Amino acid sequence: SQKIEQNSEALNIQEGKTATLTCNYTNYSPAYLQWYRQDPGRGPVFLLLIRENEKEKRKERLKVTFDTTLKQSLFHITASQPADSATYLCALDPNNNAGNMLTFGGGTRLMVKP
Amino acid sequence: NAGVTQTPKFQVLKTGQSMTLQCAQDMNHNSMYWYRQDPGMGLRLIYYSASEGTTDKGEVPNGYNVSRLNKREFSLRLESAAPSQTSVYFCASIKGVTGANVLTFGAGSRLTVL
Repeated sequence: SQKIEQNSEALNIQEGKTATLTCNYTNYSPAYLQWYRQDPGRGPVFLLLIRENEKEKRKERLKVTFDTTLKQSLFHITASQPADSATYLCALDPNNNAGNMLTFGGGTRLMVKP
Repeated sequence: NAGVTQTPKFQVLKTGQSMTLQCAQDMNHNSMYWYRQDPGMGLRLIYYSASEGTTDKGEVPNGYNVSRLNKREFSLRLESAAPSQTSVYFCASIKGVTGANVLTFGAGSRLTVL
């Protein structure tokens, strides 16, 4: 069966350091991979999308990599700030058709300490 | 420019009671979704509607019914609530044209079934 794994343990880092979160998947061939941020008591908010033929995508302090051979995506936040503290979810899109279901990982909680 | 609006935000039910969660989007999106989020389980799709007039089951549809009332509104009904349906429910929508299918989520509805 399809499986998406994110580290369920919280990631604690010091302000200014780079945070790296991992999303691994098995039995899946996604066309797209998305990353969302979720704050307590709120719905997830889209951050970045990367296509299967892209190795890396950047947006300001965020960087996402996608390795379809390793079946892994890494999500990096450089120069992290306490305001980056949240839960980050990865989601896999099989072929980008409306009505097809994105499948979400369980999320990793990031805590950035001042 | 409200995006996706869900009501109610909080609800407590007794086992066997029924209720409807309401969702409306003002972005002219075609596809709408209902997810539930439980600790350690991630977001799981309950039902979705790829377009007005159609609905389909997701990963965990048992115990739920949905209605796509019009293009804007997609409701989720619990006919006979059970404690296992205690969860946070999220409504989301996608524009549904070629290109990135990014979900826009509502703020969530926290349901407790006693």
